[in-house]
Amino acid sequence: GQQLNQSPQSMFIQEGEDVSMNCTSSSIFNTWLWYKQDPGEGPVLLIALYKAGELTSNGRLTAQFGITRKDSFLNISASIPSDVGIYFCAGQMQNSGNTPLVFGKGTRLSVIA
Amino acid sequence: KAGVTQTPRYLIKTRGQQVTLSCSPISGHRSVSWYQQTPGQGLQFLFEYFSETQRNKGNFPGRFSGRQFSNSRSEMNVSTLELGDSALYLCASSLGGRSSYEQYFGPGTRLTVT
Repeated sequence: GQQLNQSPQSMFIQEGEDVSMNCTSSSIFNTWLWYKQDPGEGPVLLIALYKAGELTSNGRLTAQFGITRKDSFLNISASIPSDVGIYFCAGQMQNSGNTPLVFGKGTRLSVIA
Repeated sequence: KAGVTQTPRYLIKTRGQQVTLSCSPISGHRSVSWYQQTPGQGLQFLFEYFSETQRNKGNFPGRFSGRQFSNSRSEMNVSTLELGDSALYLCASSLGGRSSYEQYFGPGTRLTVT
């Protein structure tokens, strides 16, 4: 089935640093979603994107819907220890009706204080 | 508005037994999707129910089944449990209509099969 390529798989950063991660596909998407999952909990929706080129912020988080509609990016500025977790991208393919969301395998973020 | 709730949160079963997990969606949401999450495989889609009908199905054996009730609450059942069924089972609810792809997840049920 359709896969989303999410990178990097894991990151170790110093507190205060900025973080960038991305998600790419060979197919065109009309929706991109970014989630964060803490250990033992369900993923929490951070940002939803619906238009190519759209740039949306949620506090220190900023996500962009790529112009080609085949990718999306998530940036976290001035990271803090509570940013630790797994970040997932998910997308809805264009013209796919009500088919399930496609998920990336996640980026595991570790923050060193 | 209350979030998605799942019960139980933790479950330990023996191989060969069967289990039923429950999910109550956000009020007003008509779609419930179920996922299996394991460390090596990420989020694997099981099935989606919308208005009491299974709308999508993932690539899992028939031992995995589900249903949705008229109040949108959903249950999933796993029969003849295998060791490999140990995982975090997540449900997610959404409005379910066109252009409403935002899914909101519950905390999950951690199933351990011994």
